[in-house]
Amino acid sequence: DGGITQSPKYLFRKEGQNVTLSCEQNLNHDAMYWYRQDPGQGLRLIYYSQIVNDFQKGDIAEGYSVSREKKESFPLTVTSAQKNPTAFYLCASSIGSAGGKAAGYTFGSGTRLTVV
Amino acid sequence: ILNVEQSPQSLHVQEGDSTNFTCSFPSSNFYALHWYRWETAKSPEALFVMTLNGDEKKKGRISATLNTKEGYSYLYIKGSQPEDSATYLCASVSYNTDKLIFGTGTRLQVFP
Repeated sequence: DGGITQSPKYLFRKEGQNVTLSCEQNLNHDAMYWYRQDPGQGLRLIYYSQIVNDFQKGDIAEGYSVSREKKESFPLTVTSAQKNPTAFYLCASSIGSAGGKAAGYTFGSGTRLTVV
Repeated sequence: ILNVEQSPQSLHVQEGDSTNFTCSFPSSNFYALHWYRWETAKSPEALFVMTLNGDEKKKGRISATLNTKEGYSYLYIKGSQPEDSATYLCASVSYNTDKLIFGTGTRLQVFP
């Protein structure tokens, strides 16, 4: 079955450590996205990538970094510069960023990161 | 309206009740409105993507309408079942961007 896999589901890290969240898709989608969810807020866009080797900052990119070396993979690194890293992180993909507007996104099941 | 707003925040209904909730979005430069259903511990799942004013879409007992001139969409669930319990998210996107703007969701709980 095609879909998006995020791993791990739960992640605990000490303050000051960088941590990388995995997102893999086998849908042959060109565009991939990272969102963050905090209590009482809508999903907020961190970074997105429309094509391999290219990515753009979203609305809350500070303290995060990404790479897109392969079409299937879009890992997110939460760096020590991110002031409030504890949150739920969702990865998504679409057939293309323009196509996704009309066709909808496919989401992973998320990673809950807790920094202590 | 500059943001996407959903109401109510949460809803508790009995099995068999019909229910509806609202998504308000910016009407200027509107391109599309997405509805997603998000069950606990699962992935959000796309329900509808709507683009045309007056559009109505249906999937089983769930249907949605769209008013792009006034910037709102309604999601209806007829004869709610416990398996309809989930958070329902809407998101809008405008012509001049590829970014979806999400609402905070309506959490529906259906009691048997």
